[in-house]
Amino acid sequence: QVQLQESGPGLVKPSQTLSLTCTVSGGSISSGSYYWSWIRQPAGKGLEWIGRIYASGSTNYNPSLKSRVTISVDTSKNQFSLKLSSVTAADTAVYYCARDTSFDYYDSSGYKTPYAFDIWGQGTMVTVSS
Amino acid sequence: DIQMTQSPSSLSASVGDRVTITCQASQDISNYLNWYQQKPGKAPKLLIYDASNLETGVPSRFSGSGSGTDFTFTISSLQPEDIATYYCQQYDNLPRRTFGQGTKLEIK
Repeated sequence: QVQLQESGPGLVKPSQTLSLTCTVSGGSISSGSYYWSWIRQPAGKGLEWIGRIYASGSTNYNPSLKSRVTISVDTSKNQFSLKLSSVTAADTAVYYCARDTSFDYYDSSGYKTPYAFDIWGQGTMVTVSS
Repeated sequence: DIQMTQSPSSLSASVGDRVTITCQASQDISNYLNWYQQKPGKAPKLLIYDASNLETGVPSRFSGSGSGTDFTFTISSLQPEDIATYYCQQYDNLPRRTFGQGTKLEIK
């Protein structure tokens, strides 16, 4: 089955750029109607959606991070990547990549199309510190 | 921004207890709500989508209900392996998704 694995430096200096890669295995990043998302979680805190990309390269970003985020895809390597610029200590977090899925089902009130993060990587801790 | 507010923030219950967590949206989100379980040191796991639909393979002791702004997540009979933090997540204003702050469930 499809698995995701994050990789990248665990320590980034303030004002520099955080760079992470998510490798998709067990399936093609280009198959199906999937987006591929990045989500982060500061220690002891909740989850924040960062942004997503489609295999075509189409992206959407969280407005609160949009000025600093770039997400890209390399279909030949079955990978997608995150770059977050001008980092501060507030960017210290566990970073997850996740499959952003939608599908159709039918119930008594008709066809529905939910959207959810159905497969996640194990997460990678990134600390911003000098 | 749609804000999601969960209560309680933490909860202690005994094995076999019925456990209920609530999630309130800052505006009407229809039934565009998912629930996730996150065990310590692990990634979140999708349990329920569209407020009340159980993801494949999820035990039937988990259930969800609600629509509009008020939602409920229930474990009918708490098991030791259910110890985790539970998050609600809305997807009414795609592509942006927002999560609740989480409810940490512990065994009494």
